[in-house]
Amino acid sequence: NAGVMQNPRHLVRRRGQEARLRCSPMKGHSHVYWYRQLPEEGLKFMVYLQKENIIDESGMPKERFSAEFPKEGPSILRIQQVVRGDSAAYFCASSPRQTQETQYFGPGTRLLVL
Amino acid sequence: AQSVAQPEDQVNVAEGNPLTVKCTYSVSGNPYLFWYVQYPNRGLQFLLKYITGDNLVKGSYGFEAEFNKSQTSFHLKKPSALVSDSALYFCAVSPNTGTASKLTFGTGTRLQVTL
Repeated sequence: NAGVMQNPRHLVRRRGQEARLRCSPMKGHSHVYWYRQLPEEGLKFMVYLQKENIIDESGMPKERFSAEFPKEGPSILRIQQVVRGDSAAYFCASSPRQTQETQYFGPGTRLLVL
Repeated sequence: AQSVAQPEDQVNVAEGNPLTVKCTYSVSGNPYLFWYVQYPNRGLQFLLKYITGDNLVKGSYGFEAEFNKSQTSFHLKKPSALVSDSALYFCAVSPNTGTASKLTFGTGTRLQVTL
């Protein structure tokens, strides 16, 4: 059973470009979480999604950031018009059910904005 | 609002000695508590969790943690440290509501095990 997959692993963007980060949850998992880790800091929750639904987006910046988890395909975290402050590691986690199951993390996407 | 405190940025221990990484939490109601480990340029690996039941929880790689409700703590322990345990350790909490929810993480504690 493959773990949580994220791609790309590293992404370099210039200011003003768009960044698209992809996350494929573990097989059988229908809950996806996105977290951001700034250098030398812990992980901060961004958004929690189930298939075709955003359940909790309380950690998402109000502008430029969006997330989706379509019926088919991976979850996408989209950052429009990136700025240098968006440089961070973005981690996706998945869990199988609605109860508080363990969240299993992917290897992360490291975004660098030049 | 829930929060986690890891009071030590770094813990140094000699190989073979016991180790403790401290964690205290604040959450409404009963907590779900987790420990994760992160190696350089890697994602987080799950170590153990407390949901309910025995206060002493055993996890991967010989780690264990003790839930103390009165002190709102969930310290990570290992009887005999290995050099390969050197990594960044995160404690996390979510409220025990019976449904899935976000994790709130501490700032992490770097464990350095030396020969």
